[in-house]
Amino acid sequence: EPEVTQTPSHQVTQMGQEVILRCVPISNHLYFYWYRQILGQKVEFLVSFYNNEISEKSEIFDDQFSVERPDGSNFTLKIRSTKLEDSAMYFCASSELTSGLGEQFFGPGTRLTVL
Amino acid sequence: ILNVEQSPQSLHVQEGDSTNFTCSFPSSNFYALHWYRWETAKSPEALFVMTLNGDEKKKGRISATLNTKEGYSYLYIKGSQPEDSATYLCAFKAAGNKLTFGGGTRVLVKP
Repeated sequence: EPEVTQTPSHQVTQMGQEVILRCVPISNHLYFYWYRQILGQKVEFLVSFYNNEISEKSEIFDDQFSVERPDGSNFTLKIRSTKLEDSAMYFCASSELTSGLGEQFFGPGTRLTVL
Repeated sequence: ILNVEQSPQSLHVQEGDSTNFTCSFPSSNFYALHWYRWETAKSPEALFVMTLNGDEKKKGRISATLNTKEGYSYLYIKGSQPEDSATYLCAFKAAGNKLTFGGGTRVLVKP
């Protein structure tokens, strides 16, 4: 069964460093998403991406964050200068549709620890 | 700010017993309600996408109902088994792309 994959599973970085989190969405999906869950809090939406551009983003997704689909299969989230409060589990998701029936399929997450 | 709440936060169930828990969400601008099952270290697994008021969906021993007018959904597990132990997440979808998640209900089924 097709699945969303994410690498690495765990990333440890120093505050101020850049990190790139990688995702391979399901191959025929057109819509891509990043969510995150800070320990003890709810899963929260960061950004959605369609047709090589951001279609929606949350207030969390400031200038420190960027997304890219560099080669038609990978979907990346870059954090330019990490802060302690960026420590969280980051989930990638993809869907065929964006309408009400657009089931979003999630990857297993990357745990980012900023020291 | 959309508020999606789940209760209880956690529950313990004896193997073989049935259980249910709630997701409440805004009753306006409703597009869909998603349910996910999430085991630690695994991907959240989609259970249901519900769109119509009064809808009821079933997958094996797990079923869900939807009331969009009053803004709630119930998830039921019939005859709980240890493999049902997981966190169950609901997520509300208004117009747009994003899912707004509840805090989850952590279910532990004791043998």
